[in-house]
Amino acid sequence: AQSVSQHNHHVILSEAASLELGCNYSYGGTVNLFWYVQYPGQHLQLLLKYFSGDPLVKGIKGFEAEFIKSKFSFNLRKPSVQWSDTAEYFCAVSRKAAGNKLTFGGGTRVLVKP
Amino acid sequence: GAGVSQSPSNKVTEKGKDVELRCDPISGHTALYWYRQRLGQGLEFLIYFQGNSAPDKSGLPSDRFSAERTGESVSTLTIQRTQQEDSAVYLCASSLGLGGRLAYNEQFFGPGTRLTVL
Repeated sequence: AQSVSQHNHHVILSEAASLELGCNYSYGGTVNLFWYVQYPGQHLQLLLKYFSGDPLVKGIKGFEAEFIKSKFSFNLRKPSVQWSDTAEYFCAVSRKAAGNKLTFGGGTRVLVKP
Repeated sequence: GAGVSQSPSNKVTEKGKDVELRCDPISGHTALYWYRQRLGQGLEFLIYFQGNSAPDKSGLPSDRFSAERTGESVSTLTIQRTQQEDSAVYLCASSLGLGGRLAYNEQFFGPGTRLTVL
């Protein structure tokens, strides 16, 4: 079965620190890759997505992610976090052949200390 | 409205009762998905509707769960004889539908319904 793994459940860091969240998936076929974010009290929002083309994807709020096919990875990065980046981050994978339903990782709670 | 809406936002029920959760997708979106998020866990896929095709029910955890969709609009998720383990946030998402372009694959999420089974 297709699965998505996020390596860190909780991350605590200070403002201006760099952030990297790991995501690995198990499916070997053609996939679409997503990072969603859920800010406290808000619903899920799309941060960025990868469908094809340049494996380095830039999203909103200064986030980027790199698709490394050989490693089945899609890690999320931000060079300098802000307090407002405190949120839960979810990696997700979909396949057109499976109706594009999303398989999510377990999520990573990020706390940025001011 | 411009986004996906869900109602109610919160539902508290007693074990054994039936509940209905509603989702209004973005107008024009042919695909509709239900997910749930139990406390401390990631999101799990439940069911998926695409146009007039038969729904993909592969994620429904038991026969107590069912969902319907009226055409390409409102969907209702029904949980019969609720159990405490059904307590979760139930999320609905919609997308333009299957297609080769990424725009068709992006799902937009509603705010969710928080279900508490006592």
